[in-house]
Amino acid sequence: GAGVSQSPSNKVTEKGKDVELRCDPISGHTALYWYRQSLGQGLEFLIYFQGNSAPDKSGLPSDRFSAERTGGSVSTLTIQRTQQEDSAVYLCASSPSAGGAADTQYFGPGTRLTVL
Amino acid sequence: AQSVTQPDIHITVSEGASLELRCNYSYGATPYLFWYVQSPGQGLQLLLKYFSGDTLVQGIKGFEAEFKRSQSSFNLRKPSVHWSDAAEYFCAVGAGTGNQFYFGTGTSLTVIP
Repeated sequence: GAGVSQSPSNKVTEKGKDVELRCDPISGHTALYWYRQSLGQGLEFLIYFQGNSAPDKSGLPSDRFSAERTGGSVSTLTIQRTQQEDSAVYLCASSPSAGGAADTQYFGPGTRLTVL
Repeated sequence: AQSVTQPDIHITVSEGASLELRCNYSYGATPYLFWYVQSPGQGLQLLLKYFSGDTLVQGIKGFEAEFKRSQSSFNLRKPSVHWSDAAEYFCAVGAGTGNQFYFGTGTSLTVIP
């Protein structure tokens, strides 16, 4: 079946502009995660959605970052007033279970964001 | 605080040789441990995971990993590497009471003929 998809695959923007990154999780998966992968770094947790519960936003690096998940499915990560340090690959993952440390996550291919 | 260390940034092995990728973690309780592989332009794919029980875990593509509590390690091994194994490998820890996962910085594997 279809995996996690993300769009766009690449995004180049100018400093100060806003960007939206989209994630389509696997159908039926209740948990959704966003990560940031910077060059030479591991994956940095950003935000976690589980069903209709309030999201865990503890990993968002600043108030310029926000995310929403509509209808328990598609998620959008928005970065306002982008900065050069926001350049990274943004990965989305979904999980079929109720969330938690035992989850197997299914990752999308990522969106490579370049801020000039 | 939870953390994951992958001491080897880059490893080069010859095709057919054995492989061991190191992973050390810091976590107060018994962790949930994962190895993921990321091929160029692809998302991360789960290789194997450890929750409890047998400390030697078998995964896909001929990989295995051994949990050693005394060493806080979860090293990934493969007896004979194939050229298609060239990729980035990430070790991860799942926090026991939360939904956060902690990833290492990854080990890049190059396979030479």
